[in-house]
Amino acid sequence: EVQLVESGGGLVQPGGSLRLSCSASGFTFSSYAMHWVRRAPGKGLEYVSGITSNGGSTYYADLVKGRFSISRDNSKNTIYLQMSSLRGEDTAVYYCVKDQTGTYSRWFDPWGQGTLVTVSS
Amino acid sequence: DIVMTQSPDSLAVSLGERATINCKSSQSVLYSSNNKNYLAWYQQKPGQPPKLLIYWASTRGSGVPDRFSGSGSGTDFTLTISSLQAEDVAVYYCQQYYGTPPYTFGQGTKLEIE
Repeated sequence: EVQLVESGGGLVQPGGSLRLSCSASGFTFSSYAMHWVRRAPGKGLEYVSGITSNGGSTYYADLVKGRFSISRDNSKNTIYLQMSSLRGEDTAVYYCVKDQTGTYSRWFDPWGQGTLVTVSS
Repeated sequence: DIVMTQSPDSLAVSLGERATINCKSSQSVLYSSNNKNYLAWYQQKPGQPPKLLIYWASTRGSGVPDRFSGSGSGTDFTLTISSLQAEDVAVYYCQQYYGTPPYTFGQGTKLEIE
């Protein structure tokens, strides 16, 4: 069974940093692109960042570009989202999702349970 | 970026009746070389992560009941639930995955029982 388990969320002050992790199992992790998607309270789903299977290509939504950094360690079956200069509007549940190919351009399935990031003083 | 717009924002349907949700993209998500529409639908129930329902605009995901169907092409798409069940209460999102990211989502449609 494919499983994605996020961790690292919590309460952080504005301007602070946090690193999210997503541990994957049940599939050949190094063969698939991975992404982060978030859902702010009372809002809809928002695409955040993506990384190809070999880590050679990354993408960031404009709202997080320059502040967030995605990476992966294929030896540990884990992706990371390093978040810095956090703002109140970054408060959300962050989901790790699996792509269907090693590059982009496919649907997201499955989704992890999500980890809550709260940015507040 | 491709903008996805869903209608309506919320919908109340009686049990056993048909529910229809529309999704419009700001540019075509039909890839001419393979004649596939790069469009997916997801269902999110309260307290749960989103679940894939439909991909390639009309292919049901694994284990998805056949009362869920997707249709449309180019820029206009529809998710139909043929006979609403109580467990279908959720927020539904369309998403385009055409080309390179960002793979944008519609704003969501909240489906309730009338």
